[in-house]
Amino acid sequence: GAGVSQTPSNKVTEKGKYVELRCDPISGHTALYWYRQSLGQGPEFLIYFQGTGAADDSGLPNDRFFAVRPEGSVSTLKIQRTERGDSAVYLCASSLWGPTGRYQDQETQYFGPGTRLLVL
Amino acid sequence: AQSVTQLGSHVSVSEGALVLLRCNYSSSVPPYLFWYVQYPNQGLQLLLKYTSAATLVKGINGFEAEFKKSETSFHLTKPSAHMSDAAEYFCAVSGLYGNKLVFGAGTILRVKS
Repeated sequence: GAGVSQTPSNKVTEKGKYVELRCDPISGHTALYWYRQSLGQGPEFLIYFQGTGAADDSGLPNDRFFAVRPEGSVSTLKIQRTERGDSAVYLCASSLWGPTGRYQDQETQYFGPGTRLLVL
Repeated sequence: AQSVTQLGSHVSVSEGALVLLRCNYSSSVPPYLFWYVQYPNQGLQLLLKYTSAATLVKGINGFEAEFKKSETSFHLTKPSAHMSDAAEYFCAVSGLYGNKLVFGAGTILRVKS
């Protein structure tokens, strides 16, 4: 079956510009997560959606970062006034959450290939 | 708060040798623990997970990990390394109710022929 997809795979922008990164989760997955992976580091949590609402946005670094998931499926991560320090790979993951009858599967997050953002 | 420490940013083994990648965690709640593998220019792939069932967890590609609460460890092992195992490995912890994963810094595994 189809996995998590992210577009674009690569994005080059100039400092100060606005960018949008898109994530298509696995069909039926109610939970969606965004992480950021800087060079040489492990992924860092940004935000988590349960359905349409952001259940935890404690990882967003500042108010230039915003994410939406209006219909509970596709999500968009939006970065305003980009800075060179925003350059990283942005990863999206999705998981089942809720009464599925398979409790032990609820915690597995399936990751997309990422969007590599370069801010010049 | 939760955290993960992976000892050794780079590990090199010979083909056929034992692979041991170390992970220690800190968690204020019973943890769920994970190992993910990342091949160059690819996303993270789940190798195995511990969710409070059996302490010895078997994963894909011959990997396994043992949860040791007394040592707060979740080391990843494979009896015999293969060239295709060369990748970066991440240990991660999440709380009882899932949501965010906290990752270690990763260990790059090199397999020598």
